[in-house]
Amino acid sequence: GAGVSQSPSNKVTEKGKDVELRCDPISGHTALYWYRQSLGQGLEFLIYFQGNSAPDKSGLPSDRFSAERTGGSVSTLTIQRTQQEDSAVYLCASSPGTVQETQYFGPGTRLLVL
Amino acid sequence: KQEVTQIPAALSVPEGENLVLNCSFTDSAIYNLQWFRQDPGKGLTSLLLIQSSQREQTSGRLNASLDKSSGRSTLYIAASQPGDSATYLCAVLDSNYQLIWGAGTKLIIKP
Repeated sequence: GAGVSQSPSNKVTEKGKDVELRCDPISGHTALYWYRQSLGQGLEFLIYFQGNSAPDKSGLPSDRFSAERTGGSVSTLTIQRTQQEDSAVYLCASSPGTVQETQYFGPGTRLLVL
Repeated sequence: KQEVTQIPAALSVPEGENLVLNCSFTDSAIYNLQWFRQDPGKGLTSLLLIQSSQREQTSGRLNASLDKSSGRSTLYIAASQPGDSATYLCAVLDSNYQLIWGAGTKLIIKP
């Protein structure tokens, strides 16, 4: 079956604009995660969803970042008033049930803020 | 605060050699530890997941061990091949259900 998909694969935007990143998890997976990988740095946890609810939003770097998940499937990560330091690869992953199961990753969205 | 460290940062070995990648973490209160592979321009692939109650997991030429009390894990790759060239990432699922990542080991297998 299809894996985790993300769109767009690449996004170039100007500083101050809003961007929306999309993640389609593997069908039937109830848990969904967002991570960020900045150039030269490790992966950083942002947020995870169990169904449509996000028990832990503490990883979001600022109030410009928000995420939602509808219908227990697609999730969108929105960055408002983008800054150059937001440039990174944003990765989405899903797992079948609990957070303790193997996570399957999408190819990522490469965001460049000019 | 949980911190994950991977040593070495980069490794280059001839094809056919056995090798070990190291991962250490500062807080033993983890649910599991995972090893991932990251290929340039592609997403992450999960290689092995070791639950906190387990000592090791094996998949093909890969073997991962976990010593939770000492905060260490190793990934052993047997009979390395050029196709094994990638960045290998270690991550622990901490007590807040967050995956905390190491910076990775960039592995190059020379034909």
